[in-house]
Amino acid sequence: KNQVEQSPQSLIILEGKNCTLQCNYTVSPFSNLRWYKQDTGRGPVSLTIMTFSENTKSNGRYTATLDADTKQSSLHITASQLSDSASYICVVSAAGAGSYQLTFGKGTKLSVIP
Amino acid sequence: EPEVTQTPSHQVTQMGQEVILRCVPISNHLYFYWYRQILGQKVEFLVSFYNNEISEKSEIFDDQFSVERPDGSNFTLKIRSTKLEDSAMYFCASSGARGFGETQYFGPGTRLLVL
Repeated sequence: KNQVEQSPQSLIILEGKNCTLQCNYTVSPFSNLRWYKQDTGRGPVSLTIMTFSENTKSNGRYTATLDADTKQSSLHITASQLSDSASYICVVSAAGAGSYQLTFGKGTKLSVIP
Repeated sequence: EPEVTQTPSHQVTQMGQEVILRCVPISNHLYFYWYRQILGQKVEFLVSFYNNEISEKSEIFDDQFSVERPDGSNFTLKIRSTKLEDSAMYFCASSGARGFGETQYFGPGTRLLVL
């Protein structure tokens, strides 16, 4: 069964500090991996999408890495801001037989404090 | 910037009642999706829709659920006879392409509470 596991479950950091969130997946066949940011009570917003051949992608202060061999991804947030407080969700897309279903992780709840 | 909108933002209903959740996808998008998120749990795929028919559906999307695109702008999710366990946040999403590398844009969600 396709699964996406994220760690840590929650994280508290001081404003201005960096942090790294982890994602392990067992989705097969792999199509792409996305990181989404979800504010409380809101829909997820896409941060990055990476395909099999990409091992890093940046979006401002967010940098995602992908190791397709070990089926691991990370999201690094640089110089955190209070507005970064949200859940960060790793989402993996499987491909094959016309299926492009997304498998979501449970997310890492990040709290940035002053 | 174009965005996906959903109405209502909150809905409370009695068990056994029918509910219709409405979504207006981004205007030039062709692929539409419904997801749900039970409180404290992960987002789960329900169904995808393209060219006026269902492309894929998950195990959750049983006979109690249906989707429709009644006109050129709205995309609806109907739950025929709601159960307590249908209480969740329901997200609509749309994308301009499908599969490889497409970005799905999510709406703000409808919080459904079944009593």
